[in-house]
Amino acid sequence: GEDVEQSLFLSVREGDSSVINCTYTDSSSTYLYWYKQEPGAGLQLLTYIFSNMDMKQDQRLTVLLNKKDKHLSLRIADTQTGDSAIYFCAETQTGANNLFFGTGTRLTVIP
Amino acid sequence: NAGVTQTPKFRVLKTGQSMTLLCAQDMNHEYMYWYRQDPGMGLRLIHYSVGEGTTAKGEVPDGYNVSRLKKQNFLLGLESAAPSQTSVYFCASRSGQADLYGYTFGSGTRLTVV
Repeated sequence: GEDVEQSLFLSVREGDSSVINCTYTDSSSTYLYWYKQEPGAGLQLLTYIFSNMDMKQDQRLTVLLNKKDKHLSLRIADTQTGDSAIYFCAETQTGANNLFFGTGTRLTVIP
Repeated sequence: NAGVTQTPKFRVLKTGQSMTLLCAQDMNHEYMYWYRQDPGMGLRLIHYSVGEGTTAKGEVPDGYNVSRLKKQNFLLGLESAAPSQTSVYFCASRSGQADLYGYTFGSGTRLTVV
């Protein structure tokens, strides 16, 4: 099956940029997502990118996709304490019935 | 508010007991999912349904059963709970296979089996 890997922890200082990385194994992945999970809550879709794109920017969020290396990253500019959460990448393919999630990265923002 | 509602939010079971987790969505979504979340392992798919009356196995189906008798509800059953089933369970839904914009998640059920 698909394998989606993430580092488990990341700490940054408030105001700095955060970069959360994700690698996946399935070269047929066509849709990739970033979800945010705040403490005690479900997952919320943050942003997504399709495999025919290299980059997507949405306010403080920048998603980069390197298809050759099967590497996805999420950059959060001017990280705030409210960004502290677990971030999951997820991928799926055209015609698939479900998403495959990474292990999640716990981002801690230090004031 | 439209969305996915899970009940109960918390539950403690003794080994061998049974229980049913309920997921309800009011968005007329076709597809529904049950995941479990364990530390360092992300979300793993237990079972899913692509429409009323259908169910299919996911990555970790053993020890669980599901039913989708009504389109808006997806039930997850544990017939004989084991400590290994201590986890946080999430339900999710999406409108259909053509829906590329991800899932809507419930807020989770924290289950402890002692």
